[in-house]
Amino acid sequence: GAGVSQTPSNKVTEKGKYVELRCDPISGHTALYWYRQSLGQGPEFLIYFQGTGAADDSGLPNDRFFAVRPEGSVSTLKIQRTERGDSAVYLCASSLTGINTEAFFGQGTRLTVV
Amino acid sequence: GDSVTQMEGPVTLSEEAFLTINCTYTATGYPSLFWYVQYPGEGLQLLLKATKADDKGSNKGFEATYRKETTSFHLEKGSVQVSDSAVYFCALSDITGGNNRKLIWGLGTSLAVNP
Repeated sequence: GAGVSQTPSNKVTEKGKYVELRCDPISGHTALYWYRQSLGQGPEFLIYFQGTGAADDSGLPNDRFFAVRPEGSVSTLKIQRTERGDSAVYLCASSLTGINTEAFFGQGTRLTVV
Repeated sequence: GDSVTQMEGPVTLSEEAFLTINCTYTATGYPSLFWYVQYPGEGLQLLLKATKADDKGSNKGFEATYRKETTSFHLEKGSVQVSDSAVYFCALSDITGGNNRKLIWGLGTSLAVNP
């Protein structure tokens, strides 16, 4: 596609439920990042994929959060037993691999846990 | 760890006014520095960047100079337009992580330009 696509754009879920958020990166981009942006804050790094592997998952807040990228393209962020504090905009970005490459962002998925 | 501190908003200016949004950083390595912009209803877009000390990034009339001595990357524009109303984020990426270019972000500064 022309840009990074994230679906759904909005998700409302009940506390305790499981959710999946999808990211379709720009074709050919080997690097993929997930960030979380809470209201009034800057984005916060969650996880970085290089190809299929999670090269850095140091930003995942706890073991309820997990992400996969099985074929090195589409990625899914999975949140188990959602809590109200998980409410935020989840951003995905992709880039080529290299020193001076630009990261392109999707419009994000707004997750609301009620 | 690495961090970014940017000027709190909101900032409200009249059209054609001069804009400065301050950004300072702390990093253990040799970061690249970025300004991203988020227009209402849109995703984050790269506005400009600088990859080494004394580099100047520029785009759409905006400029920022990478100052290692003051660890700063202030965003400036000589004459703002209503269409510049957006949230501006300062960010850094430390190259010591190999290919990992994760971004460390400031809190964002909201700019409103009135006609």
